[in-house]
Amino acid sequence: EAQVTQNPRYLITVTGKKLTVTCSQNMNHEYMSWYRQDPGLGLRQIYYSMNVEVTDKGDVPEGYKVSRKEKRNFPLILESPSPNQTSLYFCASSVGTGAYEQYFGPGTRLTVT
Amino acid sequence: AQKVTQAQTEISVVEKEDVTLDCVYETRDTTYYLFWYKQPPSGELVFLIRRNSFDEQNEISGRYSWNFQKSTSSFNFTITASQVVDSAVYFCALSEALYNNAGNMLTFGGGTRLMVKP
Repeated sequence: EAQVTQNPRYLITVTGKKLTVTCSQNMNHEYMSWYRQDPGLGLRQIYYSMNVEVTDKGDVPEGYKVSRKEKRNFPLILESPSPNQTSLYFCASSVGTGAYEQYFGPGTRLTVT
Repeated sequence: AQKVTQAQTEISVVEKEDVTLDCVYETRDTTYYLFWYKQPPSGELVFLIRRNSFDEQNEISGRYSWNFQKSTSSFNFTITASQVVDSAVYFCALSEALYNNAGNMLTFGGGTRLMVKP
């Protein structure tokens, strides 16, 4: 089954404790991205990757890091989480840019206290 | 910069009513793509439709229909004879074709929460 998986689905952590949210897709997609969803703001792009070892900032990259060492995986790293990073996070992948539909993972709900 | 506005933050209807969700967008590109996604209470994002800027034909899929009007920069979504299962948050999104030759910046509106009551 074609899918994007994220782990964990729920995470409660404390300020400053480094964490990683994993994302994996099995569709051989070149393009992957991370979004955060906040009430009233819709989804905003954090980082994206056009291919292995190629990443770039989206709209709201501050406080986040990513890496793309394999085509299927695109982890999101919060080196020092803060309460304002409490949000619902989605990973997405697609064949390419522009017209292509993005396939979204199930989401990760992160709470930073 | 591209922008998507969904002015209706929340809509409540009674089952079997028709409902229209509004979406207004801004872009400088002549080639762009518009999307609608559904987010049911379970939280996942479900792709509903994609429309490119050169195709202004309205589309109908069962009880769903979409009205794309470039003249008013709108891409509205109508559900006919709504059902309780239509209750969800609906997002309109825009992707420009030539965003820095990369990136596929998919810009979302703030979403409209639709509640369909029995």
